[in-house]
Amino acid sequence: DTAVSQTPKYLVTQMGNDKSIKCEQNLGHDTMYWYKQDSKKFLKIMFSYNNKELIINETVPNRFSPKSPDKAHLNLHINSLELGDSAVYFCASSQGFWVNTGELFFGEGSRLTVL
Amino acid sequence: AQSVAQPEDQVNVAEGNPLTVKCTYSVSGNPYLFWYVQYPNRGLQFLLKYITGDNLVKGSYGFEAEFNKSQTSFHLKKPSALVSDSALYFCAVRDTGDSSYKLIFGSGTRLLVRP
Repeated sequence: DTAVSQTPKYLVTQMGNDKSIKCEQNLGHDTMYWYKQDSKKFLKIMFSYNNKELIINETVPNRFSPKSPDKAHLNLHINSLELGDSAVYFCASSQGFWVNTGELFFGEGSRLTVL
Repeated sequence: AQSVAQPEDQVNVAEGNPLTVKCTYSVSGNPYLFWYVQYPNRGLQFLLKYITGDNLVKGSYGFEAEFNKSQTSFHLKKPSALVSDSALYFCAVRDTGDSSYKLIFGSGTRLLVRP
């Protein structure tokens, strides 16, 4: 029973399209994150939600829009996809944000390829 | 702003030999330090953390890390490497002096253990 699950696992699409990646966690956590891992494996935080409230919003193009319908879900919608958006996107969760030391639980990633 | 550096892109070691993966950090307050491991096509998994207390922390799979405040380092070690330890290792830091509470990852070090 996967703790943090992301769909789809692979996504290949054309430039200019709009796509979404979904994330769900069954750990009962109240904080969720999106991280982007580029081709050099560098991992950078994009967004974080705590109890459905946006608390981290890094310098990310506004083509990226996260949505958290409830504490267990954090989806990522990307408009007008560009070649540079090709990466692996990881969802993660933790129990608490302000009190959590930093132990995160990661999904297996969604590999996005923009052609 | 906090930062974390992993000076080696790759570490090669023979099975049965000790291994060290290096990590240095920079923070304005006190650091919370972490090691995560990423196996191919998988998400990151938590290995160990230093929050406070004993400078030597032990984690999963026989790994340990030593917090050195004067050298601002948190190197990952294992007395006897296994081929199955081959993976990508990330050091991460959370700065208690930074109100954003973000968890920042290093660039990763690929560990290759040869039989």
